Amino acid sequence: LAKTTQPISMDSYEGQEVNITCSHNNIATNDYITWYQQFPSQGPRFIIQGYKTKVTNEVASLFIPADRKSSTLSLPRVSLSDTAVYYCLVVGSGSGTYKYIFGTGTRLKVLA
Amino acid sequence: KAGVTQTPRYLIKTRGQQVTLSCSPISGHRSVSWYQQTPGQGLQFLFEYFSETQRNKGNFPGRFSGRQFSNSRSEMNVSTLELGDSALYLCASSKTRQGGSNEKLFFGSGTQLSVL
Repeated sequence: LAKTTQPISMDSYEGQEVNITCSHNNIATNDYITWYQQFPSQGPRFIIQGYKTKVTNEVASLFIPADRKSSTLSLPRVSLSDTAVYYCLVVGSGSGTYKYIFGTGTRLKVLA
Repeated sequence: KAGVTQTPRYLIKTRGQQVTLSCSPISGHRSVSWYQQTPGQGLQFLFEYFSETQRNKGNFPGRFSGRQFSNSRSEMNVSTLELGDSALYLCASSKTRQGGSNEKLFFGSGTQLSVL
């Protein structure tokens, strides 16, 4: 099953672009990569999902190289309200079952 | 549309007791999954239910169990509580029948369990 690794923490300044990378060396052929954002005392919230190449929505972009062993969440022009923990999720599939394996999470702190 | 509702929000128990947590999914969602979140271990998958059947299970001891009712509401139970069970317990619901890789999970705010 896929195991994911992320940086523990990152600092950035308002207005900057932030890139958070997740490694998932054992990702399976059918697995998608999904990113969630979590604020204190709340459950994670869906940000973006992709399978390969690049996906963009109104809040973020997700870059996935051809080998799919990693993915990069890109947050354009962050603000103080983007301070949160960001998790990548690869749904590990094997033997006909699947398990939701979250990364360790990256604590992003946006500074004024 | 109401989100995922978890009750109670906070709970304090002592070692050896048991606890039951409740999760009401978003209307129309039939899959409910449960997670344990601790500072040391992060978010760990417990199990997932669909149509009253456990569909997948994480690597937790048998003291952790769950069930789902016909209205998709779910409960999880932890028996013989240990200090290490102190955690934020989150549930998530999703819509699709197949489950798996491209599921979009909607999380509740969790139940904070403290075991003394």
